[in-house]
Amino acid sequence: QQPVQSPQAVILREGEDAVINCSSSKALYSVHWYRQKHGEAPVFLMILLKGGEQKGHDKISASFNEKKQQSSLYLTASQLSYSGTYFCGTETLGSYQKVTFGTGTKLQVIP
Amino acid sequence: EAQVTQNPRYLITVTGKKLTVTCSQNMNHEYMSWYRQDPGLGLRQIYYSMNVEVTDKGDVPEGYKVSRKEKRNFPLILESPSPNQTSLYFCASGFSGRTGEQYFGPGTRLTVT
Repeated sequence: QQPVQSPQAVILREGEDAVINCSSSKALYSVHWYRQKHGEAPVFLMILLKGGEQKGHDKISASFNEKKQQSSLYLTASQLSYSGTYFCGTETLGSYQKVTFGTGTKLQVIP
Repeated sequence: EAQVTQNPRYLITVTGKKLTVTCSQNMNHEYMSWYRQDPGLGLRQIYYSMNVEVTDKGDVPEGYKVSRKEKRNFPLILESPSPNQTSLYFCASGFSGRTGEQYFGPGTRLTVT
């Protein structure tokens, strides 16, 4: 079953912050975040493993609450280059190396 | 250059005509996977492989076959394509599906008429 992402779409002005949520109905081992720009292949952002860690690079960070089976991606001080569709992928406990992606969150950053 | 290549990039075919989409990676990755992308449905995994001769079904395996005879190659076979298999297909590879980054190929746009 695909994880549920919210919101489905969001429009931001440059410099604003955004949060994208990813929720699963099953216990998770890992959460993977990717960004896909229009007409291109998805590109890896980060992986969070069971253990509740938080990760980040540059102004994009993520958290993983394994008890709630949820992950959130935080985009701070958004830039035009952040525009694209963000996908979370989840690997559930017992589904070794099988990654199921959500339907995506379309983010548009405008000047 | 480290990369995942797919061929063909674009294909228009007719119902029932067997086809193969090739995928090759030069990064010595053990894990390879196929996804299809359809509007509003996100990326859906078709099959994945954890190593040579080890493959397993993803979420939407019906109508597809795969094989992993060599580490670098993971072809996707549609034995009898149907219009509902019209989609954008991505191949991906990584050191591990569990803890590693997946590198995606450029995609193959398939139209079945």
